[in-house]
Amino acid sequence: EAQVTQNPRYLITVTGKKLTVTCSQNMNHEYMSWYRQDPGLGLRQIYYSMNVEVTDKGDVPEGYKVSRKEKRNFPLILESPSPNQTSLYFCASTHQATKYNEQFFGPGTRLTVL
Amino acid sequence: SQQGEEDPQALSIQEGENATMNCSYKTSINNLQWYRQNSGRGLVHLILIRSNEREKHSGRLRVTLDTSKKSSSLLITASRAADTASYFCATVFMNRDDKIIFGKGTRLHILP
Repeated sequence: EAQVTQNPRYLITVTGKKLTVTCSQNMNHEYMSWYRQDPGLGLRQIYYSMNVEVTDKGDVPEGYKVSRKEKRNFPLILESPSPNQTSLYFCASTHQATKYNEQFFGPGTRLTVL
Repeated sequence: SQQGEEDPQALSIQEGENATMNCSYKTSINNLQWYRQNSGRGLVHLILIRSNEREKHSGRLRVTLDTSKKSSSLLITASRAADTASYFCATVFMNRDDKIIFGKGTRLHILP
């Protein structure tokens, strides 16, 4: 089944404790991105990647890192999480050739930073 | 902000009625997409309309695009309880790298 998976789905952590949210897709998509969703603010893009070893900042990259060592994986790293990073996070992917078309979303990761 | 803005923010209608929601944006686009999100879940792509198109249909969905007004509308006909969800427009702007900008969404509630 074609899908985007994220882990963990739920995470409660404390300020300053490094964490990684994994994202993996099995559709051979080149383009992957991370979004955060907050009430009243909609979805905002954090980082995106057009292919392996190519990443770019989205609209809200501060406090986040990403890496793209393999085509299928695009982990989101919070080196020193803070309470304002409490949010619902989504990973998404699509083909580079059709990168302006349909994106496939993961189920989301609900992160709480205390 | 170049973000798309949906209108209304929330909409409640009776089952069987039509639901219309709108999206406005500020700069020229390559295309505009509509997504649905059931509570707390990932977004699901509904329909895409390109900048050179004016109207598209998909089942009970009808999307229009008016580039002169920089706006789009999503019409859901004969609404069902399962249509209860949040709906987002997403815009891909010309000459704006590869960023995709989502609006804040319209929460649609279908009353039985």
